[in-house]
Amino acid sequence: EAGVVQSPRYKIIEKKQPVAFWCNPISGHNTLYWYRQNLGQGPELLIRYENEEAVDDSQLPKDRFSAERLKGVDSTLKIQPAELGDSAVYLCASSAGDNSYEQYFGPGTRLTVT
Amino acid sequence: GEDVEQSLFLSVREGDSSVINCTYTDSSSTYLYWYKQEPGAGLQLLTYIFSNMDMKQDQRLTVLLNKKDKHLSLRIADTQTGDSAIYFCAESIGYSTLTFGKGTMLLVSP
Repeated sequence: EAGVVQSPRYKIIEKKQPVAFWCNPISGHNTLYWYRQNLGQGPELLIRYENEEAVDDSQLPKDRFSAERLKGVDSTLKIQPAELGDSAVYLCASSAGDNSYEQYFGPGTRLTVT
Repeated sequence: GEDVEQSLFLSVREGDSSVINCTYTDSSSTYLYWYKQEPGAGLQLLTYIFSNMDMKQDQRLTVLLNKKDKHLSLRIADTQTGDSAIYFCAESIGYSTLTFGKGTMLLVSP
Protein backbone atom coordinates (compact mmCIF):
# COMPACT_ATOMS: atom_id res chain seq x y z
CA GLU A 1 0.00 0.00 0.00
CA ALA A 2 1.37 3.43 -0.94
CA GLY A 3 2.18 5.88 1.80
CA VAL A 4 1.48 9.59 1.82
CA VAL A 5 2.60 11.09 -1.49
CA GLN A 6 3.83 14.67 -1.82
CA SER A 7 5.06 16.70 -4.74
CA PRO A 8 7.27 18.37 -5.60
CA ARG A 9 10.05 17.16 -3.32
CA TYR A 10 12.05 20.35 -3.75
CA LYS A 11 11.14 23.85 -4.85
CA ILE A 12 13.26 26.98 -5.20
CA ILE A 13 11.49 30.26 -5.87
CA GLU A 14 12.18 33.96 -5.59
CA LYS A 15 10.41 35.96 -2.92
CA LYS A 16 7.01 37.37 -3.88
CA GLN A 17 6.37 34.44 -6.23
CA PRO A 18 3.52 31.97 -5.63
CA VAL A 19 4.09 28.29 -4.87
CA ALA A 20 1.84 25.27 -4.41
CA PHE A 21 2.35 21.89 -2.79
CA TRP A 22 0.29 18.77 -3.39
CA CYS A 23 -0.48 15.87 -1.09
CA ASN A 24 -2.26 12.56 -1.61
CA PRO A 25 -2.96 10.81 1.70
CA ILE A 26 -3.05 7.08 2.39
CA SER A 27 -6.14 5.56 0.80
CA GLY A 28 -9.10 5.62 3.18
CA HIS A 29 -7.59 8.18 5.56
CA ASN A 30 -10.14 10.91 6.07
CA THR A 31 -7.96 13.18 8.24
CA LEU A 32 -5.23 15.19 6.54
CA TYR A 33 -2.67 17.51 8.14
CA TRP A 34 -0.24 20.08 6.78
CA TYR A 35 2.76 20.81 9.00
CA ARG A 36 5.69 23.18 8.56
CA GLN A 37 9.12 22.17 9.83
CA ASN A 38 11.72 24.89 10.19
CA LEU A 39 15.39 23.97 10.31
CA GLY A 40 16.31 22.41 13.65
CA GLN A 41 12.72 22.34 14.86
CA GLY A 42 9.89 19.87 15.16
CA PRO A 43 6.90 20.10 12.81
CA GLU A 44 4.17 22.61 13.63
CA LEU A 45 0.61 22.25 12.45
CA LEU A 46 -0.69 24.62 9.80
CA ILE A 47 -4.10 23.08 9.09
CA ARG A 48 -6.10 19.90 9.76
CA TYR A 49 -8.90 18.54 7.59
CA GLU A 50 -11.62 16.07 8.45
CA ASN A 51 -12.79 15.01 4.99
CA GLU A 52 -13.37 18.31 3.12
CA GLU A 53 -13.72 20.44 6.24
CA ALA A 54 -10.84 22.44 7.72
CA VAL A 55 -11.41 21.80 11.43
CA ASP A 56 -8.26 23.51 12.73
CA ASP A 57 -6.63 26.31 10.74
CA SER A 58 -5.76 28.53 13.70
CA GLN A 59 -2.02 28.45 12.90
CA LEU A 60 -2.37 29.07 9.17
CA PRO A 61 -1.15 32.58 8.17
CA LYS A 62 -4.26 33.37 6.21
CA ASP A 63 -2.94 36.55 4.63
CA ARG A 64 -0.67 34.54 2.35
CA PHE A 65 -1.42 30.85 2.89
CA SER A 66 -4.42 28.94 1.61
CA ALA A 67 -5.34 25.27 1.43
CA GLU A 68 -8.04 23.17 -0.10
CA ARG A 69 -9.24 19.58 -0.04
CA LEU A 70 -12.19 19.75 -2.39
CA LYS A 71 -13.20 16.09 -2.64
CA GLY A 72 -11.92 14.99 0.74
CA VAL A 73 -8.96 13.12 -0.75
CA ASP A 74 -5.92 15.00 -2.03
CA SER A 75 -5.02 18.49 -0.89
CA THR A 76 -3.13 21.55 -2.09
CA LEU A 77 -1.34 24.11 0.07
CA LYS A 78 -0.54 27.46 -1.53
CA ILE A 79 1.62 30.41 -0.55
CA GLN A 80 1.15 33.71 -2.33
CA PRO A 81 3.34 35.69 -2.19
CA ALA A 82 6.21 33.77 -0.65
CA GLU A 83 8.58 35.45 1.81
CA LEU A 84 12.13 34.54 2.79
CA GLY A 85 10.87 33.26 6.16
CA ASP A 86 8.70 30.68 4.42
CA SER A 87 11.76 28.57 3.62
CA ALA A 88 11.07 25.28 5.39
CA VAL A 89 9.97 21.69 4.83
CA TYR A 90 6.23 21.32 4.35
CA LEU A 91 4.99 17.98 5.56
CA CYS A 92 1.68 16.33 4.88
CA ALA A 93 0.31 13.61 7.16
CA SER A 94 -2.85 11.53 7.26
CA SER A 95 -4.70 9.37 9.71
CA ALA A 96 -7.72 7.06 9.59
CA GLY A 97 -10.94 7.97 11.34
CA ASP A 98 -11.02 4.95 13.62
CA ASN A 99 -7.32 5.06 14.59
CA SER A 100 -6.63 8.71 14.17
CA TYR A 101 -4.03 8.79 16.91
CA GLU A 102 -1.61 7.24 14.37
CA GLN A 103 -0.43 9.91 11.94
CA TYR A 104 1.62 8.90 8.92
CA PHE A 105 3.85 11.45 7.24
CA GLY A 106 4.88 11.99 3.66
CA PRO A 107 8.49 12.79 2.64
CA GLY A 108 7.84 16.54 2.59
CA THR A 109 8.50 19.38 0.18
CA ARG A 110 11.62 21.40 0.88
CA LEU A 111 10.96 25.03 -0.07
CA THR A 112 13.76 27.54 -0.51
CA VAL A 113 12.78 31.17 -1.03
CA THR A 114 15.60 33.38 -2.36
CA GLY B 1 0.13 25.74 27.13
CA GLU B 2 1.73 22.74 25.51
CA ASP B 3 5.50 22.36 25.52
CA VAL B 4 7.71 19.37 24.78
CA GLU B 5 11.40 19.42 25.67
CA GLN B 6 14.17 17.09 24.53
CA SER B 7 17.93 17.02 24.80
CA LEU B 8 19.44 17.92 21.46
CA PHE B 9 22.14 15.32 20.98
CA LEU B 10 23.12 11.79 22.01
CA SER B 11 26.15 9.79 20.93
CA VAL B 12 26.53 6.05 21.54
CA ARG B 13 28.63 3.17 20.29
CA GLU B 14 27.17 0.40 18.17
CA GLY B 15 25.77 -2.40 20.33
CA ASP B 16 25.13 -0.17 23.33
CA SER B 17 21.68 0.85 24.52
CA SER B 18 20.43 4.38 23.76
CA VAL B 19 18.04 6.27 25.99
CA ILE B 20 16.37 9.40 24.66
CA ASN B 21 14.44 11.51 27.15
CA CYS B 22 11.52 13.89 26.80
CA THR B 23 9.49 16.04 29.17
CA TYR B 24 6.08 17.53 28.50
CA THR B 25 3.97 20.02 30.36
CA ASP B 26 0.35 19.29 29.46
CA SER B 27 -1.15 16.89 32.00
CA SER B 28 -4.11 16.39 29.66
CA SER B 29 -1.95 14.57 27.12
CA THR B 30 -3.69 11.42 25.95
CA TYR B 31 -1.06 9.86 23.71
CA LEU B 32 2.71 10.25 23.59
CA TYR B 33 4.69 9.35 20.52
CA TRP B 34 8.16 8.73 19.22
CA TYR B 35 8.94 9.51 15.59
CA LYS B 36 12.19 8.96 13.68
CA GLN B 37 13.42 11.26 10.91
CA GLU B 38 16.31 10.33 8.65
CA PRO B 39 18.06 13.00 6.53
CA GLY B 40 15.84 14.31 3.76
CA ALA B 41 12.93 12.11 4.77
CA GLY B 42 9.58 12.53 6.46
CA LEU B 43 8.76 11.34 9.95
CA GLN B 44 8.37 7.63 10.63
CA LEU B 45 6.07 6.62 13.47
CA LEU B 46 8.10 4.33 15.74
CA THR B 47 5.79 3.76 18.66
CA TYR B 48 3.29 5.46 20.92
CA ILE B 49 1.90 4.97 24.40
CA PHE B 50 -1.46 5.77 25.91
CA SER B 51 -1.24 7.96 28.98
CA ASN B 52 -2.68 5.31 31.33
CA MET B 53 0.24 2.98 30.56
CA ASP B 54 3.64 2.93 32.24
CA MET B 55 5.60 0.93 29.71
CA LYS B 56 5.40 -0.42 26.20
CA GLN B 57 7.87 -2.75 24.52
CA ASP B 58 8.18 -3.37 20.80
CA GLN B 59 11.16 -5.47 19.71
CA ARG B 60 14.26 -3.34 20.42
CA LEU B 61 12.22 -0.35 21.57
CA THR B 62 11.04 0.25 25.14
CA VAL B 63 8.96 3.28 26.06
CA LEU B 64 8.68 4.33 29.70
CA LEU B 65 6.16 6.90 30.88
CA ASN B 66 6.28 8.62 34.27
CA LYS B 67 3.05 10.55 34.29
CA LYS B 68 3.69 12.11 37.69
CA ASP B 69 6.92 13.72 36.44
CA LYS B 70 5.60 14.13 32.87
CA HIS B 71 8.66 12.28 31.61
CA LEU B 72 8.84 9.98 28.60
CA SER B 73 11.83 7.94 27.48
CA LEU B 74 12.71 5.77 24.51
CA ARG B 75 15.24 3.01 24.99
CA ILE B 76 16.78 1.40 21.92
CA ALA B 77 18.52 -1.88 22.70
CA ASP B 78 21.56 -3.04 20.70
CA THR B 79 21.78 0.27 18.83
CA GLN B 80 22.91 -0.02 15.21
CA THR B 81 24.44 2.55 12.84
CA GLY B 82 21.13 2.50 10.94
CA ASP B 83 19.47 3.94 14.05
CA SER B 84 21.35 7.22 13.53
CA ALA B 85 18.63 9.82 12.97
CA ILE B 86 16.67 12.56 14.70
CA TYR B 87 14.08 11.30 17.17
CA PHE B 88 11.05 13.42 17.96
CA CYS B 89 8.84 13.15 21.01
CA ALA B 90 5.26 14.34 20.53
CA GLU B 91 2.07 14.58 22.54
CA SER B 92 -1.58 14.86 21.66
CA ILE B 93 -4.82 15.40 23.53
CA GLY B 94 -7.43 12.97 22.29
CA TYR B 95 -7.36 12.69 18.54
CA SER B 96 -6.11 16.20 17.98
CA THR B 97 -2.93 17.77 16.73
CA LEU B 98 0.53 16.56 17.64
CA THR B 99 2.86 18.90 19.49
CA PHE B 100 6.47 18.01 18.80
CA GLY B 101 9.72 18.62 20.61
CA LYS B 102 12.73 19.95 18.71
CA GLY B 103 14.19 16.48 18.27
CA THR B 104 17.21 14.58 19.58
CA MET B 105 19.97 13.74 17.12
CA LEU B 106 21.25 10.22 17.78
CA LEU B 107 24.69 9.44 16.41
CA VAL B 108 25.79 5.80 16.50
CA SER B 109 29.48 5.17 15.94
CA PRO B 110 30.97 1.80 14.91
